[in-house]
Amino acid sequence: EAQVTQNPRYLITVTGKKLTVTCSQNMNHEYMSWYRQDPGLGLRQIYYSMNVEVTDKGDVPEGYKVSRKEKRNFPLILESPSPNQTSLYFCASSLSSSFSYGYTFGSGTRLTVV
Amino acid sequence: GEDVEQSLFLSVREGDSSVINCTYTDSSSTYLYWYKQEPGAGLQLLTYIFSNMDMKQDQRLTVLLNKKDKHLSLRIADTQTGDSAIYFCAEILRYSGAGSYQLTFGKGTKLSVIP
Repeated sequence: EAQVTQNPRYLITVTGKKLTVTCSQNMNHEYMSWYRQDPGLGLRQIYYSMNVEVTDKGDVPEGYKVSRKEKRNFPLILESPSPNQTSLYFCASSLSSSFSYGYTFGSGTRLTVV
Repeated sequence: GEDVEQSLFLSVREGDSSVINCTYTDSSSTYLYWYKQEPGAGLQLLTYIFSNMDMKQDQRLTVLLNKKDKHLSLRIADTQTGDSAIYFCAEILRYSGAGSYQLTFGKGTKLSVIP
């Protein structure tokens, strides 16, 4: 089944403890992206990647890192999480950056930082 | 404005038509999308329209595009309780020097269907 898989689905952590949210797609998509969703703010892009080893900042990159060493994986790294990073995170992928095919989204990761 | 704008809430009775409106920002956007998010789930691509089209129909869904006013709408005919969800309008907003595009979302319209 073609899909974007995020792990974990739910995570509660403490301030300052490094964490990684994994994202993997099995569709050979070039383009991958991370969003966070917050009430009243909709979806905001954190980082995106046009292809292997090519990443760029979205609208809200502060406090996050990403890497794209392989085409299928695009992990989101929080080196020192803070409570304002409590949010619902979505990974998405697309065949190309022109988006004519739309995005495929993962099921989301709900992160709570206490 | 600089944001993709949608009203936040819409409530309709089961069997009626729902119309969700969106104002986007860039008249040169090539594709415009509607996504649906059911409770506890990710976003699902519902439909999209290419910018050279005025209308697209897909079963109960009708998308209307007014490029002059940068207005996009989604009409759901015979709305069912299963249509209750958040609907996001999205456009390709930005083109950077690296040749990349950014898909930018509105804040979402929560559709509540009353039985």
